[in-house]
Amino acid sequence: GESVGLHLPTLSVQEGDNSIINCAYSNSASDYFIWYKQESGKGPQFIIDIRSNMDKRQGQRVTVLLNKTVKHLSLQIAATQPGDSAVYFCAERSLGGARQLTFGSGTQLTVLP
Amino acid sequence: EPEVTQTPSHQVTQMGQEVILRCVPISNHLYFYWYRQILGQKVEFLVSFYNNEISEKSEIFDDQFSVERPDGSNFTLKIRSTKLEDSAMYFCASIAETDTQYFGPGTRLTVL
Repeated sequence: GESVGLHLPTLSVQEGDNSIINCAYSNSASDYFIWYKQESGKGPQFIIDIRSNMDKRQGQRVTVLLNKTVKHLSLQIAATQPGDSAVYFCAERSLGGARQLTFGSGTQLTVLP
Repeated sequence: EPEVTQTPSHQVTQMGQEVILRCVPISNHLYFYWYRQILGQKVEFLVSFYNNEISEKSEIFDDQFSVERPDGSNFTLKIRSTKLEDSAMYFCASIAETDTQYFGPGTRLTVL
């Protein structure tokens, strides 16, 4: 069936470097995508979202890129800090329905000192 | 900043017992959700609730599960007869008219 998945289960980066976390989705009907950060023992925390009519959106130190041609989503974190260490999930929402989200498997980001 | 709250943070129960997980969504929100996350796995949708009724549910949400909004603030998830495989983190989420879903901190359910 259609699903959202992540390319890499773990990612380690040096403090101060930029991080790129990738996500592939297969549901062409999805119109809205969100990146969440989840720290150990906590709930998903909203980072940034993007609609399907956009290909890029920037926030504070974060950028989301959407490539609908290859159904790919990425999260870029600039100047990665130790507090960025967490599991990052992409999630998609399809048109219609009750706006529920379908989550990917998650990528563990570890920031090295 | 308004936030979704959940109680208890950790619930331990015996197999076959009933549990009720409680959530207080953000006050002006309209859509309410329950998700679960088995340890080490991704977050899975259980059920959505809008206008005092279930609007959509997943295959996981069988007859053992029920949801209720007993008053203007609380949103509950009941599991009638817990099974070992119900052990997971349960997250409540809510949205207003915008698309951003805000999640609570979760309840860790442990079924022994």
